[in-house]
Amino acid sequence: NAGVTQTPKFRVLKTGQSMTLLCAQDMNHEYMYWYRQDPGMGLRLIHYSVGEGTTAKGEVPDGYNVSRLKKQNFLLGLESAAPSQTSVYFCASSYPVGSNYGYTFGSGTRLTVV
Amino acid sequence: DAKTTQPPSMDCAEGRAANLPCNHSTISGNEYVYWYRQIHSQGPQYIIHGLKNNETNEMASLIITEDRKSSTLILPHATLRDTAVYYCIVRVQQAGTALIFGKGTTLSVSS
Repeated sequence: NAGVTQTPKFRVLKTGQSMTLLCAQDMNHEYMYWYRQDPGMGLRLIHYSVGEGTTAKGEVPDGYNVSRLKKQNFLLGLESAAPSQTSVYFCASSYPVGSNYGYTFGSGTRLTVV
Repeated sequence: DAKTTQPPSMDCAEGRAANLPCNHSTISGNEYVYWYRQIHSQGPQYIIHGLKNNETNEMASLIITEDRKSSTLILPHATLRDTAVYYCIVRVQQAGTALIFGKGTTLSVSS
């Protein structure tokens, strides 16, 4: 049982390049989330999904797109990377609302845009 | 979701109890109090949550005041490995909601 796995762990992009971050969970969780964390700051919600085929915007969605084609995977895309998107990206998953289980987070993807 | 107020930093001696306060004076009747922590640069880790009763698990205890306007997370015997940023979050448990993090409290445990 790996929990939540994020790939890649590190990446350096040039301004304007695109990339996709992959989040995979093996806990059969319905809900999945993408957060970003800038130095000295708390986590900010980018996008989230309450089930396969559904996505919704969070606090800071601009510049990102997401897809949830399979229940276990949640992809975060950057179409044209900007230096302001340099951050640590965390994925999380959880059971549906009402469960006693909290969120399970991945170990993060450290992205630098130069 | 209601906002929370936490002290930016706290210190604790190893082996002592760490009591982390959180103010959530505008909490609604259907909002739960959640606590998470983030050790160094790892992903946040769930600690405990509650609605109005005090809660205890293998990691910590959560004390919620009777008026629910504040709460305290208690780590009974803090260790060096408990040094982390602790986040207090209030959240309605309904479909489509997500955890919104603030800046949290940095707890430093020293020997």
